[in-house]
Amino acid sequence: SQKIEQNSEALNIQEGKTATLTCNYTNYSPAYLQWYRQDPGRGPVFLLLIRENEKEKRKERLKVTFDTTLKQSLFHITASQPADSATYLCALAPSSSGGGADGLTFGKGTHLIIQP
Amino acid sequence: NAGVMQNPRHLVRRRGQEARLRCSPMKGHSHVYWYRQLPEEGLKFMVYLQKENIIDESGMPKERFSAEFPKEGPSILRIQQVVRGDSAAYFCASSLQGRNTIYFGEGSWLTVV
Repeated sequence: SQKIEQNSEALNIQEGKTATLTCNYTNYSPAYLQWYRQDPGRGPVFLLLIRENEKEKRKERLKVTFDTTLKQSLFHITASQPADSATYLCALAPSSSGGGADGLTFGKGTHLIIQP
Repeated sequence: NAGVMQNPRHLVRRRGQEARLRCSPMKGHSHVYWYRQLPEEGLKFMVYLQKENIIDESGMPKERFSAEFPKEGPSILRIQQVVRGDSAAYFCASSLQGRNTIYFGEGSWLTVV
């Protein structure tokens, strides 16, 4: 069966360091992969999208890589700040999605804590 | 986030009652998605709708749950005869037609007592 795995344990990082979060998937051929941020009691907020034919995407302090051979995406936050503390979700859309967002499947998320 | 409006934000229902959750998509968005998030669980897709059409309801429980997105007005997720296991956060998201970025609302937290 299709599986999306993110580290269930909280990730503690010291302020100023780079935080790296992992998203692994099995039995899946995603057309693209997305990363979202979710704060407690709030809805997820879209951060970045990377397509299957892209290796890397950047946005300000954020960087996402996508390795379809390893079936893995890495999400990096450089120069991390306490305000970056949140749960980060990865989501995959199958190749059959036809370009829309139907079929988007989410991982359980990794809780990131940036310590001052 | 501010563009997708959900209400109520918090809803308490006794077992057996009905819960109605409403979602107004972002302006110009014609696609609406409903997700459920249980404590310590990921977001689970429930249903995907366009105006007056259910496109994909593969994530909807077979009984007691229904969704609509009428020509006028918000999308409604309706849960009949609620049970304790229905307690969860229900998120609505919207997108432009054919676009793969969805924008979430702040969620509706249902508590069944």
